[in-house]
Amino acid sequence: ETGVTQSPTHLIKTRGQQVTLRCSSQSGHNTVSWYQQALGQGPQFIFQYYREEENGRGNFPPRFSGLQFPNYSSELNVNALELDDSALYLCASSPGVAGGDLYFGPGTRLTVT
Amino acid sequence: DAKTTQPNSMESNEEEPVHLPCNHSTISGTDYIHWYRQLPSQGPEYVIHGLTSNVNNRMASLAIAEDRKSSTLILHRATLRDAAVYYCILRDVGGSQGNLIFGKGTKLSVKP
Repeated sequence: ETGVTQSPTHLIKTRGQQVTLRCSSQSGHNTVSWYQQALGQGPQFIFQYYREEENGRGNFPPRFSGLQFPNYSSELNVNALELDDSALYLCASSPGVAGGDLYFGPGTRLTVT
Repeated sequence: DAKTTQPNSMESNEEEPVHLPCNHSTISGTDYIHWYRQLPSQGPEYVIHGLTSNVNNRMASLAIAEDRKSSTLILHRATLRDAAVYYCILRDVGGSQGNLIFGKGTKLSVKP
């Protein structure tokens, strides 16, 4: 059974640029969530995708967007990067939209300069 | 989801039990108590969860107060690998699965 994988592991971008982060969910999981974790803080929920549709969103602006593909893998896109977007971005998958546990990937460390 | 309160940090000696407390005085009747932990340079991982009764699994035990306003995660014999940030999270049984509200958690240090 393959766990949740994310790519790339590290990324450096310049303010104003756009970035795409990728996530492959655990086998058999159809729900993907994305979290942002600033240094020294707990993860914050960005949004969740279930069967290719956004199914819940946290307090993040529209420049944070996502996609889920038919194989349940997912992308997180961030436009017009700001310095405060520097964080660890975590992807988590789960076997359904309600109940059960989340399985997190190792994250992508994004640095915005 | 209701808020939880945890100590910022705790220390333990290797091979001794560890009791990690969590207060959740505004818990509702449909809130499950979940614990996740985050090892250094890794994503969070599920530890245990419960509703009213105490729970045991291979990783830990969860003791829930009778009024459910507090709970304690128990690691029976701490190892160096248990050094991590432990998060106590309340999750409504009908709530969106992916939306966990993390606090800052408790950073557990384990001394050899």
